[in-house]
Amino acid sequence: QQQVKQSPQSLIVQKGGIPIINCAYENTAFDYFPWYQQFPGKGPALLIAIRPDVSEKKEGRFTISFNKSAKQFSLHIMDSQPGDSATYFCAASATGTYKYIFGTGTRLKVLA
Amino acid sequence: GAVVSQHPSWVICKSGTSVKIECRSLDFQATTMFWYRQFPKQSLMLMATSNEGSKATYEQGVEKDKFLINHASLTLSTLTVTSAHPEDSSFYICSATRVESYEQYFGPGTRLTVT
Repeated sequence: QQQVKQSPQSLIVQKGGIPIINCAYENTAFDYFPWYQQFPGKGPALLIAIRPDVSEKKEGRFTISFNKSAKQFSLHIMDSQPGDSATYFCAASATGTYKYIFGTGTRLKVLA
Repeated sequence: GAVVSQHPSWVICKSGTSVKIECRSLDFQATTMFWYRQFPKQSLMLMATSNEGSKATYEQGVEKDKFLINHASLTLSTLTVTSAHPEDSSFYICSATRVESYEQYFGPGTRLTVT
């Protein structure tokens, strides 16, 4: 019940495409859902985060869609660029613990 | 703002020795720090949660006597890998949060290689 399932494992898109990464959870106590970007040999960097009281959030080219009833959320990257090639992790956290449960990660490659 | 540093960025040590990794929040007070371990092409695995001035809480399966965590101040936490073995070789990453905040700010990671 503590797991966060992430898919796909890897993704290749052309420059300008819109890669979509999906995550699903079971624990209804989760109430904070961030997305992180990680480049090889570096620590993760926060991209965008959402709480269950909204269905969508946009920050620049990154959009999170959230479906509370389905317990699913997804990351969309608009107008993807080769510089977006990285590994993306979703995570979930619950009030009180503030611990993150990370998804398994998606390796994105954007072709020039 | 919200910068977290780690030192060293990489370290090589011999089997049986101990290694200390420092995690510092540079521009904010971190009431809670987390330590993660990441194997190549895998996700981040939470090892322990540390709060300033109290004992760390370890995740199930993490040996507390092997991975010693100290959170002596609001800006510094240390992870000591004791009697290191080759299987301890990994990428260790810390993160820090402000009081009652969900956002975790991650350090750049420390690559540990045990020979």
